[in-house]
Amino acid sequence: NAGVTQTPKFRVLKTGQSMTLLCAQDMNHEYMYWYRQDPGMGLRLIHYSVGEGTTAKGEVPDGYNVSRLKKQNFLLGLESAAPSQTSVYFCASSKLAGKIYNEQFFGPGTRLTVL
Amino acid sequence: DQQVKQNSPSLSVQEGRISILNCDYTNSMFDYFLWYKKYPAEGPTFLISISSIKDKNEDGRFTVFLNKSAKHLSLHIVPSQPGDSAVYFCAAILSRYNFNKFYFGSGTKLNVKP
Repeated sequence: NAGVTQTPKFRVLKTGQSMTLLCAQDMNHEYMYWYRQDPGMGLRLIHYSVGEGTTAKGEVPDGYNVSRLKKQNFLLGLESAAPSQTSVYFCASSKLAGKIYNEQFFGPGTRLTVL
Repeated sequence: DQQVKQNSPSLSVQEGRISILNCDYTNSMFDYFLWYKKYPAEGPTFLISISSIKDKNEDGRFTVFLNKSAKHLSLHIVPSQPGDSAVYFCAAILSRYNFNKFYFGSGTKLNVKP
């Protein structure tokens, strides 16, 4: 049981380049999330998905796109990278929400630098 | 505007003593509060939670206290161990329409000295 995995772990991009971050989970979770973490700030939600084939915008969605073609995978795309997107990106997953919360399980993170 | 704040970026404590990590929030509608622990090069892992209708929850060495009137949350670790050295995030959950939205603080780096 690998939990939540992210690839790649590190990446350096030039301004204007594009890339895709892959998140995979093997816990059969319905919900998946992409966050970014910047110094002095908490984790901020970029996009999330409540099930296969669905996506929704979070707090800071601009400059990113996502897809959830398979339940176990959640892809985060940067179409034209900017230095402001230099950050550590975390993927998370959780069971269906309901009256009782379900905590999120996080991947190890991807450190992205945009020059 | 951050709805969950951790005003101490770092804390240093001697092994065996108590560590107290603090968190303040602004939204009185939050339903749950959680603490996550994060080691370098790893993702955050869930530590302990508390419902908004409780004022205390204990799990081994970890106790979370909630003061709703002050909109304040704290995590107590007793006794502190060197392995507790990590970054601690508090999070608040707003549960609406079958979706839990998480709000995270900026984290406090705890260093437990042997």
